[in-house]
Amino acid sequence: QVQLQESGPGLVNPSETLSLTCTVSGGSVNSGTSYWSWIRQPPGKGLEWIGYIYYSGTTNYNPSLKSRLTMSLDTSRNQFSLRLTSVTAADTAVYYCARGEVGDSGYHPFDFWGQGTLVTVSS
Amino acid sequence: DIVMTQSPDSLAVSLGERATINCKSSQSVLYNSNNQNYFAWYQQKPGQPPKLIVYWASIRESGVPDRFSGSGSGTDFTLTISSLQAEDVAVYYCQQYYSTPYSFGQGTNLEIK
Repeated sequence: QVQLQESGPGLVNPSETLSLTCTVSGGSVNSGTSYWSWIRQPPGKGLEWIGYIYYSGTTNYNPSLKSRLTMSLDTSRNQFSLRLTSVTAADTAVYYCARGEVGDSGYHPFDFWGQGTLVTVSS
Repeated sequence: DIVMTQSPDSLAVSLGERATINCKSSQSVLYNSNNQNYFAWYQQKPGQPPKLIVYWASIRESGVPDRFSGSGSGTDFTLTISSLQAEDVAVYYCQQYYSTPYSFGQGTNLEIK
């Protein structure tokens, strides 16, 4: 059973950088059979896919965020991270990390999720 | 980008009755080479992350009750709960994983009548 746990500051100042880490247990970020995503949900609203990273370091970002976004892996700690620069109030959301399986049919949907962490952008 | 549109936005159904939620994608999510629809349904209860309940449009995730069923192909999909239980109250989201950026529907809020 894969488990994921998000961590990071709950409050970020406007124009600064939002940094979150997802710690994985019960699975390996270095596995070729999984890919690792970030998804966010503004309070009371729907889900937005942010991007994913694969064990090889390959990333795929939502174009709406691409210019501000960086994802990375730390295989020694079995973690992956998100870094979003120049944040505004519109980036206030619950941020989820999630896993998807990689199989013969390609990338599968998100079968394991973290509990989510609320990040508020405000001074 | 593929836009996912759910209907209705909100739905109230009596206990034991059938609930039906629809989702339409702006372009087909059927991959012809393997005849698979890259389409999923999630259930989200208050204060919890979304839970995958159906993938490949009609395959129930392990542990999901068989009262949940998914159907459809191409651009039109349906989630049916055959006999609504109190624990099914949630927001339901559809998602396409055919192409990036992956996208979700706006959600359907399912309540008890």
